[in-house]
Amino acid sequence: DTGVSQNPRHKITKRGQNVTFRCDPISEHNRLYWYRQTLGQGPEFLTYFQNEAQLEKSRLLSDRFSAERPKGSFSTLEIQRTEQGDSAMYLCASSFPEQGVIGYTFGSGTRLTVV
Amino acid sequence: AQSVTQLGSHVSVSEGALVLLRCNYSSSVPPYLFWYVQYPNQGLQLLLKYTSAATLVKGINGFEAEFKKSETSFHLTKPSAHMSDAAEYFCAVSRTSGTYKYIFGTGTRLKVLA
Repeated sequence: DTGVSQNPRHKITKRGQNVTFRCDPISEHNRLYWYRQTLGQGPEFLTYFQNEAQLEKSRLLSDRFSAERPKGSFSTLEIQRTEQGDSAMYLCASSFPEQGVIGYTFGSGTRLTVV
Repeated sequence: AQSVTQLGSHVSVSEGALVLLRCNYSSSVPPYLFWYVQYPNQGLQLLLKYTSAATLVKGINGFEAEFKKSETSFHLTKPSAHMSDAAEYFCAVSRTSGTYKYIFGTGTRLKVLA
């Protein structure tokens, strides 16, 4: 399977715990995006990497959130001290540099439930 | 700034009927426009995209959309609905350079009635 892979698919955690999600993009895609989708809403942009460089972060990404993409390959999204409002689907996507011609490829997402 | 409005959070059509899902955008610069489909508990799949070439865009599964600059619209249509089309559909806009981050609409859930 050469698609975008996200793990885990589901995560249930207690409020206040830290969680980390992983995204493995399509290998030749150098752009990687994280989005968050809450129930009944469209996905909202969180952050963007070009290779290993994090080039843009949304103001939605509070200081409890951190994302990395070491060596420009897989990426991790960590949420510290989770809150109930963090419950959402976290989507990763990747693309070629000329994204406008291709469009993103999305992963299946990680659904986070904070109890 | 860019934004997307999808009129109708829920649309129901009979199997075999025309599907019309509405999307209006706002953008201070020429945009790229996309339609994605999402099945339950899955990620988003690209249906079609407008990237400033032909204004009538054909996508997968028999869907098409027409870019109308004068109306700032990019409505999605399919001549004949199938049961398998039942899903949530998202319209998105992005700039044509830079990060290419998407601004999504709130989605339209399509229900197909037998």
